[in-house]
Amino acid sequence: NAGVTQTPKFQVLKTGQSMTLQCAQDMNHEYMSWYRQDPGMGLRLIHYSVGAGITDQGEVPNGYNVSRSTTEDFPLRLLSAAPSQTSVYFCASRPGQGRLGTDTQYFGPGTRLTVL
Amino acid sequence: AQSVSQHNHHVILSEAASLELGCNYSYGGTVNLFWYVQYPGQHLQLLLKYFSGDPLVKGIKGFEAEFIKSKFSFNLRKPSVQWSDTAEYFCAVNALGGSYIPTFGRGTSLIVHP
Repeated sequence: NAGVTQTPKFQVLKTGQSMTLQCAQDMNHEYMSWYRQDPGMGLRLIHYSVGAGITDQGEVPNGYNVSRSTTEDFPLRLLSAAPSQTSVYFCASRPGQGRLGTDTQYFGPGTRLTVL
Repeated sequence: AQSVSQHNHHVILSEAASLELGCNYSYGGTVNLFWYVQYPGQHLQLLLKYFSGDPLVKGIKGFEAEFIKSKFSFNLRKPSVQWSDTAEYFCAVNALGGSYIPTFGRGTSLIVHP
């Protein structure tokens, strides 16, 4: 298994540009999440999905869209990039609610995004 | 909603020193607790977790954590750190019911000098 994969690893955008960060997992996990990691702020949840076709907002959803058309993929779209979105973005997946939240999250390697 | 506090933001130790990283959460109900580690340049991985049973849990690489319900705490410990333990450590909690999406603390950066 490849686990959780993310592309690209690095990206530089100009203010106002849009782009999609890709995330895929091959473990048939129900739950997938997007976090951003900023110095001194830890990990903050952007959006999450509890299954194909179901998404919900996290702590910091503004400026981001997600969709979950398949179990495997969970792309994160930046609609109009802003310098405040400069961050490292992590995608994560876990088996699902059936284990009452005790299951481990598996993280991707991250995408380092800079918005100029 | 639950929240997680990690009081030590930066810790610097010498090899062989003992380590204790604090983690407190705010939620009155039943919780699942996790410690994740992020080594330099790598993604997060699970160190250990607690959801029931013995409140002293052991994880990988000699780490352990103790759940003290009365103090809402889940502190991480290691008797003797190594240079290779240099990393960022995150405490996380999710609460029974709801989405079970974990809330993470702000992280503690640990530097171990050889």
